[in-house]
Amino acid sequence: EVHLVESGGDLVQPGGSLRLSCAASGFTFGNYAMSWVRQVPGKGLEWVSSISGSGGYTYYADSVKGRFTISRDNSKNTVYLQMNSLRAEDTAVYYCAKDHWQQLLPSHLNDYWGQGTLVTVSS
Amino acid sequence: DIQMTQSPSSLSASVGGRVTITCRPSQGISYYLAWFQQKPGKVPKLLIYAASTLQSGVPSRFRGSGSGTDFTLTISSLQPEDVATYYCQSYNSAPQVTFGGGTKVEIK
Repeated sequence: EVHLVESGGDLVQPGGSLRLSCAASGFTFGNYAMSWVRQVPGKGLEWVSSISGSGGYTYYADSVKGRFTISRDNSKNTVYLQMNSLRAEDTAVYYCAKDHWQQLLPSHLNDYWGQGTLVTVSS
Repeated sequence: DIQMTQSPSSLSASVGGRVTITCRPSQGISYYLAWFQQKPGKVPKLLIYAASTLQSGVPSRFRGSGSGTDFTLTISSLQPEDVATYYCQSYNSAPQVTFGGGTKVEIK
């Protein structure tokens, strides 16, 4: 059974940094792209970033490009999101999600989602 | 950037009734359209991808159709467990991976 567990969410001041982690199990992790999607509580979904199975290809939403970095450690079955220069508008629940297809590049179609971790950016 | 216009933003229907939700991308996305269901306090669940392919385990009362710039999610016979917010998503290429604003479905 696919299992995704996010961690690292916290209260941080504007301009601060945070690193989220997502531990995966139940599938051959390195064969699948992974994504981060966020949701302001009570609001809609926003795709943030994706990374290929090998880690060699990364993609970002314009709203986070240059501030966030996605990475993965296939030996630990974990994907990360390093978030720098955080802003109030980055406040959201951050979900990691598994790509539906086993292929080289991300399809950005996600079939399994973790429970999410809350990031609050406030002074 | 692709904008995904989803309508209506909310609706209520009777148990057993038919529900239709539309999603219109601002530019053509071929069939790269998915539908998600998010129940209150829960994680989004993939219902349909490639516009009309039912994800494994999803009841057959859910149906997706359309291509290009006009897509529809239909629930043929609404059940109490279908109360949720439904989102469409384009996934044809990054960074143009975009979700619609959501449609909240309630029981009348």
